[in-house]
Amino acid sequence: GAGVSQSPSNKVTEKGKDVELRCDPISGHTALYWYRQSLGQGLEFLIYFQGNSAPDKSGLPSDRFSAERTGGSVSTLTIQRTQQEDSAVYLCASSRDSAGYEQYFGPGTRLTVT
Amino acid sequence: AQSVTQLDSHVSVSEGTPVLLRCNYSSSYSPSLFWYVQHPNKGLQLLLKYTSAATLVKGINGFEAEFKKSETSFHLTKPSAHMSDAAEYFCVVSDRGSGNTGKLIFGQGTTLQVKP
Repeated sequence: GAGVSQSPSNKVTEKGKDVELRCDPISGHTALYWYRQSLGQGLEFLIYFQGNSAPDKSGLPSDRFSAERTGGSVSTLTIQRTQQEDSAVYLCASSRDSAGYEQYFGPGTRLTVT
Repeated sequence: AQSVTQLDSHVSVSEGTPVLLRCNYSSSYSPSLFWYVQHPNKGLQLLLKYTSAATLVKGINGFEAEFKKSETSFHLTKPSAHMSDAAEYFCVVSDRGSGNTGKLIFGQGTTLQVKP
């Protein structure tokens, strides 16, 4: 079956511009996560969605970052006024439920801020 | 708070020799532990997971890991390395704290080099 898909695969943007990253989770998976992988910080959690519950935004690094999940499926991560330190690979993962279940990762979006 | 520490940032082995990648964890709860692998320019793939059943966990591609509560360790092993095993390996714990979200907490990663 189809796995987690992310688009675009690569994004180059100028400092100060806004970007939107998209994630399509596996059908039927209720939990969706965003992570960031960067050279300096390793892999870090950003935000978590579970069904209709309020998202856990505790990992978002600043108020320039936001995310939404429409209809319990597709999710969009938005970064406003991008900075060079936002350059990283943004990974999306989904799972059947939350704690203890395997998370399936998408291929990621490589964001480069110039 | 939960965390994982991978004790080696880089491990080099010869093809056909055993692999040992070390991981220690810290958790206030009964942990769910995972090993993920990331090949160059590829996504993260689950190798194996421990969720309080058998302490010796078998995964894909001949890898296995043993959960040792007394040592707070979850080391990854493979009897015989293959060239295709060269990759970055992450030891991961699933958050079981407030909210029980299941968010993953990653170790710093271990780069496995396999020499011919």
